[in-house]
Amino acid sequence: KQEVTQIPAALSVPEGENLVLNCSFTDSAIYNLQWFRQDPGKGLTSLLLIQSSQREQTSGRLNASLDKSSGRSTLYIAASQPGDSATYLCAVTLIGGSNYKLTFGKGTLLTVNP
Amino acid sequence: DTGVSQDPRHKITKRGQNVTFRCDPISEHNRLYWYRQTLGQGPEFLTYFQNEAQLEKSRLLSDRFSAERPKGSFSTLEIQRTEQGDSAMYLCASSQDRGRADIQYFGAGTRLSVL
Repeated sequence: KQEVTQIPAALSVPEGENLVLNCSFTDSAIYNLQWFRQDPGKGLTSLLLIQSSQREQTSGRLNASLDKSSGRSTLYIAASQPGDSATYLCAVTLIGGSNYKLTFGKGTLLTVNP
Repeated sequence: DTGVSQDPRHKITKRGQNVTFRCDPISEHNRLYWYRQTLGQGPEFLTYFQNEAQLEKSRLLSDRFSAERPKGSFSTLEIQRTEQGDSAMYLCASSQDRGRADIQYFGAGTRLSVL
């Protein structure tokens, strides 16, 4: 059974700091890995998707990397801002069948202090 | 509106009552998913539709739960004889079939509280 673990569970940083969120998964037979953002009481917004054949993806101040062989991904946020405060979730899609269901970690709660 | 819409946003019910949630996916998306999220946890997969066909159900989905997607458009999730353990956020997501690049777009969710 695929298990996804995110470290740390919570992180508090001052505004402007660069930071790294970590995600690990136990089964490397994945189609892709995605990072999502969730604001309190809200749904999820996809930030970055890395296909299994890719090493990294970038969007603005966000950079996500994938090392499929070691079962690890990192999300790098540059020059953090208070608006980045949210829960960040990592999710993988396992190979097999037509169902691209996501298996999520528990998330990292990020607080960026002004 | 081009996003995934869920209704209602909040539902409070008494134990033993039946509840029904609705999800309207992005119009051209043929795939639709339901997930459940409890406090402090990531979302967990419940069930998946491709067009109108329900192709997979999680073991989390007991026989009190039923989902439909008539004509491959909107979907409903019904919970019969609700229990306090059913209290959670129920999330709906939709996507097009893009293989390894498949991105799921989530609605804002329905928060269920069973008293």
